[in-house]
Amino acid sequence: DTAVSQTPKYLVTQMGNDKSIKCEQNLGHDTMYWYKQDSKKFLKIMFSYNNKELIINETVPNRFSPKSPDKAHLNLHINSLELGDSAVYFCASSQGWKSGEATQYFGPGTRLTVL
Amino acid sequence: AQSVAQPEDQVNVAEGNPLTVKCTYSVSGNPYLFWYVQYPNRGLQFLLKYITGDNLVKGSYGFEAEFNKSQTSFHLKKPSALVSDSALYFCAVRDRDAGNMLTFGGGTRLMVKP
Repeated sequence: DTAVSQTPKYLVTQMGNDKSIKCEQNLGHDTMYWYKQDSKKFLKIMFSYNNKELIINETVPNRFSPKSPDKAHLNLHINSLELGDSAVYFCASSQGWKSGEATQYFGPGTRLTVL
Repeated sequence: AQSVAQPEDQVNVAEGNPLTVKCTYSVSGNPYLFWYVQYPNRGLQFLLKYITGDNLVKGSYGFEAEFNKSQTSFHLKKPSALVSDSALYFCAVRDRDAGNMLTFGGGTRLMVKP
């Protein structure tokens, strides 16, 4: 049973297109995240949602818009894709936004390639 | 602000030998510390974490890490490396007073040779 799942696994698209990545967790967690891993493997948080409410937004261009229809899902929509958006995007979840000791569990990643 | 440094881009070790992957951190308060492992084309898998208490933390796959407050370090160790341990390892820190913001180090690639 996959705890944190993402679709699609691979996404190849042209510059200027709009695309979405979906994330679902079946762990019963109330907090979900999006991370971006660049070509040098550097991992940086983009967004965090707690009970469908945005709590972290880390200087990400407004072309990126997260949407959380319920606490088990956090989707990432990207408008007007640019070459620099090429990366691996990871979704993660944890229980308790204020509980700093909570472990974050990661999905398998979505490799986005913008041509 | 919080930060993590993994000073080695790559660590090479022979199978059966002990391994150490280094991590130092900086937080304004007290830290929560984590280690994750990433196998090729896979997501990050949680290995272990330090919250409080015993400075030596044991985790998955025989890994352990030692929290050293005076040196602000949290090095990952294993007594006997396996070829299957070859992967990318990430250290992460969270300041106890900074909510759920997790900051990752740049990663260290571990290569275990037969």
